[in-house]
Amino acid sequence: EAGVAQSPRYKIIEKRQSVAFWCNPISGHATLYWYQQILGQGPKLLIQFQNNGVVDDSQLPKDRFSAERLKGVDSTLKIQPAKLEDSAVYLCASGQTLRYFFGQGTRLTVV
Amino acid sequence: GQQLNQSPQSMFIQEGEDVSMNCTSSSIFNTWLWYKQDPGEGPVLLIALYKAGELTSNGRLTAQFGITRKDSFLNISASIPSDVGIYFCAAMNYGGSQGNLIFGKGTKLSVKP
Repeated sequence: EAGVAQSPRYKIIEKRQSVAFWCNPISGHATLYWYQQILGQGPKLLIQFQNNGVVDDSQLPKDRFSAERLKGVDSTLKIQPAKLEDSAVYLCASGQTLRYFFGQGTRLTVV
Repeated sequence: GQQLNQSPQSMFIQEGEDVSMNCTSSSIFNTWLWYKQDPGEGPVLLIALYKAGELTSNGRLTAQFGITRKDSFLNISASIPSDVGIYFCAAMNYGGSQGNLIFGKGTKLSVKP
């Protein structure tokens, strides 16, 4: 079974630029999460989708972050404009039946 | 908000030793998950627990869902070098819609020099 696919693996941008991350969840998984993981910390939830609907985006900094899951499958997370403190690994996870699986993540460095 | 307190923050192991770590919260959860994360990789699911008091094993790993539903622990028996990494507990409340999965800050396992 294919796992959660994320791209790109690495991205370096200057502050105030925009960036987008892509996630392809495991086939058939209705739930999709985006997490931000700052170095040395546990993953912090940004947004949760159930199919193509947003279940929880209370911790998403909506002035600069946006996410969509248009057809209930792939998802994109965008940051515009990026700040230095956005440097982190962005993880996508998908799941059903209460088992959640992560992709390898996208490491973002904002300089 | 809900928070998971994971301890210890870090520990050193010698091959063959048993290892214990735990996760506590002031909130009640109905699902506990344990993950391992290697450098440059995403977290990998090790064990999932769905019922208070449940004890589940996966090879040399054993995890328990605390009877109060506010804690969980993970034991690794007879540790080997590839056990090195960061272990995270995660918990959620699954209700009418899928609940949020929150994480502890991790326990970093390193090999004793």
